[in-house]
Amino acid sequence: DAGVIQSPRHEVTEMGQEVTLRCKPISGHNSLFWYRQTMMRGLELLIYFNNNVPIDDSGMPEDRFSAKMPNASFSTLKIQPSEPRDSAVYFCASSFSRTDYSNQPQHFGDGTRLSIL
Amino acid sequence: AQTVTQSQPEMSVQEAETVTLSCTYDTSESNYYLFWYKQPPSRQMILVIRQEAYKQQNATENRFSVNFQKAAKSFSLKISDSQLGDTAMYFCAFMMKYGNKLVFGAGTILRVKS
Repeated sequence: DAGVIQSPRHEVTEMGQEVTLRCKPISGHNSLFWYRQTMMRGLELLIYFNNNVPIDDSGMPEDRFSAKMPNASFSTLKIQPSEPRDSAVYFCASSFSRTDYSNQPQHFGDGTRLSIL
Repeated sequence: AQTVTQSQPEMSVQEAETVTLSCTYDTSESNYYLFWYKQPPSRQMILVIRQEAYKQQNATENRFSVNFQKAAKSFSLKISDSQLGDTAMYFCAFMMKYGNKLVFGAGTILRVKS
């Protein structure tokens, strides 16, 4: 079975440019998560969706970050404008949340390494 | 708020030996899940093992087992017969049973030596 698919695997861009990261969750999963990993702060949850609806975006650092999930099989995380401090590895993960809200483990994509020059 | 603490930044073990990674957490919840994830140099995040807090029996997955001490809020990972492929960063993580947020520890780098 295909796992969570993220693209691109690496992204290098200049400060001020718009960056779009993409994620395809595992088919059948109804929850999707965006994480950021840095040396200083470790793994942080940025936002998560349930049934394509954003549930908690309290981890989104500032207005320059936005995330969308237009359908069950696709999500984007956009940074505009990008800054050097946004350099990190960004992970997408998905899981299946049952109707009793007890949740299954999250499965992670391979991450996007983002470097802002 | 829940917190997860991994007090060992780095550890090393000889191939074929056993190693234990420590994790403690803080929560006022009684129903929750605990996880160990492995991140090898390839950067993937791989689920190693999962424990449900209401189950007293310690979870086991092949060479990986946990020692779950609920009263002490301790969740250690034991790796038996260590292999070179076990070299990775290991993250302990907490999630409320009726929630979606994973809270991660800072990680422990494990190096398996031949």
